[in-house]
Amino acid sequence: SQWGEENLQALSIQEGEDVTMNCSYKTYTTVVHWYRQDSGRGPALIILIRSNEREKRSGRLRATLDTSSQSSSLSITAAQCEDTAVYFCATDWEGTGSKLSFGKGAKLTVSP
Amino acid sequence: EAAVTQSPRNKVAVTGGKVTLSCNQTNNHNNMYWYRQDTGHGLRLIHYSYGAGSTEKGDIPDGYKASRPSQENFSLILELATPSQTSVYFCASGDAGWGGFAEQFFGPGTRLTVL
Repeated sequence: SQWGEENLQALSIQEGEDVTMNCSYKTYTTVVHWYRQDSGRGPALIILIRSNEREKRSGRLRATLDTSSQSSSLSITAAQCEDTAVYFCATDWEGTGSKLSFGKGAKLTVSP
Repeated sequence: EAAVTQSPRNKVAVTGGKVTLSCNQTNNHNNMYWYRQDTGHGLRLIHYSYGAGSTEKGDIPDGYKASRPSQENFSLILELATPSQTSVYFCASGDAGWGGFAEQFFGPGTRLTVL
């Protein structure tokens, strides 16, 4: 498997709190995708970070990538109820430019 | 307007029956993908395609066939459905991208139950 040992994480927080989700991978990659999946819908890309970026921000989202430890994180600042979703990281570990391998995901629930 | 659509959205099939899941994209992307999603496994790639007439095996192709008759359409075929194929199936499209930068756009999913 391309992924470190992990099970589907379940995170529950209150509105306004910050949260960080992590993923670790076993094979070198030049980019990590983070997708979000709302209940009953397909995943959608929310942020993509390249190996030369280390950190990338988009609104309340912040992604980091540490190629030396082969890990990435996604942080959400001041979470809101509408952030409730499952979050996946994905990599192109075969370097094909076309295939992605998805982690098992983190289910985030934000309560009012 | 939705760029990746799937049909049917829900399907109940009998063991041993043939099931065809259809996907259509209006993104004009070269690449299309079929995934299945099961609790505890995330998204797993079944088959994918680089363009009309091409199909490639993904990570879990056993028991599935794929067909790409045109740029827009990509089908997943279960010739002899089994209960272990009960799952939610997602189609996606994307451009070929060097270095893994190509975003994939997903359809809404098809929930398949094999009894």
